[in-house]
Amino acid sequence: AQSVTQPDIHITVSEGASLELRCNYSYGATPYLFWYVQSPGQGLQLLLKYFSGDTLVQGIKGFEAEFKRSQSSFNLRKPSVHWSDAAEYFCAVGGESGGSYIPTFGRGTSLIVHP
Amino acid sequence: DVKVTQSSRYLVKRTGEKVFLECVQDMDHENMFWYRQDPGLGLRLIYFSYDVKMKEKGDIPEGYSVSREKKERFSLILESASTNQTSMYLCASSTREQVWEQYFGPGTRLTVT
Repeated sequence: AQSVTQPDIHITVSEGASLELRCNYSYGATPYLFWYVQSPGQGLQLLLKYFSGDTLVQGIKGFEAEFKRSQSSFNLRKPSVHWSDAAEYFCAVGGESGGSYIPTFGRGTSLIVHP
Repeated sequence: DVKVTQSSRYLVKRTGEKVFLECVQDMDHENMFWYRQDPGLGLRLIYFSYDVKMKEKGDIPEGYSVSREKKERFSLILESASTNQTSMYLCASSTREQVWEQYFGPGTRLTVT
């Protein structure tokens, strides 16, 4: 069975500082990996995705993530955080599970940005 | 711009009531999903549908049912609401081929008293 662990429930950073949100996955084959963001009062929006190829993927809003197979990780990064990045971030892993490809979501990391 | 809309942002119901949550998408997507979001638990899949009148149970279907009579509309039904169903409910849709790339509605926060 596939699973996702986001070890940090909350992360606090200052505006302008760099950011890294951690994600570890468990999956028996090559996973499809995703990061979603949920701004306050909104639904989730896809930030970026990894299927294969280059292990460093670029997403929207200046985010990037790196797939490291040896560490079963897919950490999200941003070099300089803006106040508008304060949101809930969800990592997800997809792949065949019981015949479907529906992703499994992590429990989320809440990002707090201090001015 | 793609859009998934949910009929209510906030809903308050009494224990034992029958509750309908409606979701409409305008992207002609084949797949639609209902999730429940609780603090510390992330998103949990309740039901999904890959075609009109087709449905599959997700991870936590107990106490819920769904209906998909038209391609653009997917309803979640709480037959007899209970306080432990107080939660945020999120609807999503995707194409048949890219089930992992989901488009979400803004959510319905349901309180059962």
